[in-house]
Amino acid sequence: DQQVKQNSPSLSVQEGRISILNCDYTNSMFDYFLWYKKYPAEGPTFLISISSIKDKNEDGRFTVFLNKSAKHLSLHIVPSQPGDSAVYFCAASAHRDDKIIFGKGTRLHILP
Amino acid sequence: DSGVTQTPKHLITATGQRVTLRCSPRSGDLSVYWYQQSLDQGLQFLIQYYNGEERAKGNILERFSAQQFPDLHSELNLSSLELGDSALYFCASSVGATQYNEQFFGPGTRLTVL
Repeated sequence: DQQVKQNSPSLSVQEGRISILNCDYTNSMFDYFLWYKKYPAEGPTFLISISSIKDKNEDGRFTVFLNKSAKHLSLHIVPSQPGDSAVYFCAASAHRDDKIIFGKGTRLHILP
Repeated sequence: DSGVTQTPKHLITATGQRVTLRCSPRSGDLSVYWYQQSLDQGLQFLIQYYNGEERAKGNILERFSAQQFPDLHSELNLSSLELGDSALYFCASSVGATQYNEQFFGPGTRLTVL
């Protein structure tokens, strides 16, 4: 049973537009969420995180929104740039369990 | 460059064999994590060591084992290999013990079991 779901395997967005990557989770005990970005032939790199006490966290072009009632989070990238083309993994952790669960990832293509 | 190194980059072996994957964490990081990424699968957490001690266990098979040495490098041992063990194996490290700390990933070891 997948506790963290990224239902879109891939997404194509025009350069300069907004990219929105979605993530759903099932475990209400999750209280910390992270996004990692992965380029081919490299390991994932941390992008941004959010604690469940917040509903938004911003870092430059990247904003993560958390909707606890819907058990949904999203990553917004504005404006999208060619270097944003990568696989994005959503991850969630429950402080009590202290185990991190990753989604399957969404491949983002930024079109010129 | 994350500062985490993994060797080898690629490994091709046969079913039934045993292999060892090696990871050196970033300088100063005490936690080492191992992940498996199979085709169409996300990152599956296998195991975490913190300062030489096993701290958390995920979906690690009994045929797999790991350890962290006094110099903090870690090895993941995979035995009685099956075709389904073919995957990318990532090592990550972090300063602290908790998994939601930012983790720094190595480039991975691609294992192919024939």
